[in-house]
Amino acid sequence: DTVLTQSPALAVSPGERVTISCRASESVSTLMHWYQQKPGQQPTLLIYLASNLESGVPARFSGSGSGTDFTLTIDPVEADDTATYYCQQSWNDPPTFGGGTKLELK
Amino acid sequence: QVQLKETGPDLVQLTQTLSITCTVSGFSLTTYNVHWVRQPPGKGLEWMGAMWNGGGTDYNSAFKSRLSISRDTSKSQVFLKMNSLQTDDTAKYFCARGTQPEYFDYWGQGVMVTVSS
Repeated sequence: DTVLTQSPALAVSPGERVTISCRASESVSTLMHWYQQKPGQQPTLLIYLASNLESGVPARFSGSGSGTDFTLTIDPVEADDTATYYCQQSWNDPPTFGGGTKLELK
Repeated sequence: QVQLKETGPDLVQLTQTLSITCTVSGFSLTTYNVHWVRQPPGKGLEWMGAMWNGGGTDYNSAFKSRLSISRDTSKSQVFLKMNSLQTDDTAKYFCARGTQPEYFDYWGQGVMVTVSS
């Protein structure tokens, strides 16, 4: 299975720029997607196909990357962005998720 | 609007079978795929399997032959059944709509299932 590696946690101040990384154990082309999950809630789609912003998601969120290295950027970060962020690949079967990056605001 | 809702037990006995129903609205099961994803308490997301819009299924090999996914298109329902439950199957179980090339654009609220000994 394709392993996706994310940093466990990040802490930033409101108004700053934050980048969350996801590294795949093998190439996933651009079939990488990002989700936000707040405590007690279901995940919600932020970015699909590496860089496409899902409808209704603020333009503060953006994604980039291809192959094995991907980044989710939030600029500027707001208090409401406190959540865990997951990457997910769909190039290789089975689909797999990263372990999640918990974003905390200072 | 698109909605998915999981219904199922909150408690299942050790070694017994889990059955969860995902009822969808706002889209057709013959147009979109539906996936099952689970999340143990405090942990990450794990893909379990999928019901394809054409009626086929795909399973994560981690669940070997324990898992079965089926559907009733007339009721807009997708079913998950998993047998031989163990304590590490305690998790929140989500169904999600899959949009090609399989990202999950709508999710149900999930159902928390505890496996009790």
